Amino acid sequence: DTGVSQDPRHKITKRGQNVTFRCDPISEHNRLYWYRQTLGQGPEFLTYFQNEAQLEKSRLLSDRFSAERPKGSFSTLEIQRTEQGDSAMYLCASSLGGRDPLDEQFFGPGTRLTVL
Amino acid sequence: GENVEQHPSTLSVQEGDSAVIKCTYSDSASNYFPWYKQELGKRPQLIIDIRSNVGEKKDQRIAVTLNKTAKHFSLHITETQPEDSAVYFCAAWVTSGTYKYIFGTGTRLKVLA
Repeated sequence: DTGVSQDPRHKITKRGQNVTFRCDPISEHNRLYWYRQTLGQGPEFLTYFQNEAQLEKSRLLSDRFSAERPKGSFSTLEIQRTEQGDSAMYLCASSLGGRDPLDEQFFGPGTRLTVL
Repeated sequence: GENVEQHPSTLSVQEGDSAVIKCTYSDSASNYFPWYKQELGKRPQLIIDIRSNVGEKKDQRIAVTLNKTAKHFSLHITETQPEDSAVYFCAAWVTSGTYKYIFGTGTRLKVLA
């Protein structure tokens, strides 16, 4: 499968624990996005990378959230001291990048986080 | 801040009828508007898109129209089929100092056989 992959697909954790998700974009895609999607809502932008540079973080992203893309390939999203309100689907997407958005954004299958 | 409003939140139509979903965006610099279809438990998939220099685009039973002056765009599905049932999201590409998509809140379309 040459699409965007995410791992794990499901994560159940207890409140207060740390979790880390991984996203592998389509190879050669320079731009990588993280979104959060809750039931009945559209994807909410969290952050994005152009290669290894994190160019923007949403105000939704509290200090407990951190994302990295150390080599400009895969990315990780870590949530520290999880709260029940963090329960959501975390989607990753990638695109070729650049000013022209017609390089389509491809979504991964998502990681569903449940915080008990 | 940037915002995309989408209506209606749910839509039920009889098979064979048309469905229309409308979105309004706030950033006048937005120049690209994709529509995504998301089936239950699956990832969003791009179904059609439109650039700001075009007023309408069609792809078989699906069409999108854009009114830049009013800052709204619409998805039209004709001759709906049960497999069209899904959640549809509009999005606007924001370019003011950043490059990202802002999504609407989604429309759950149910096509009744």
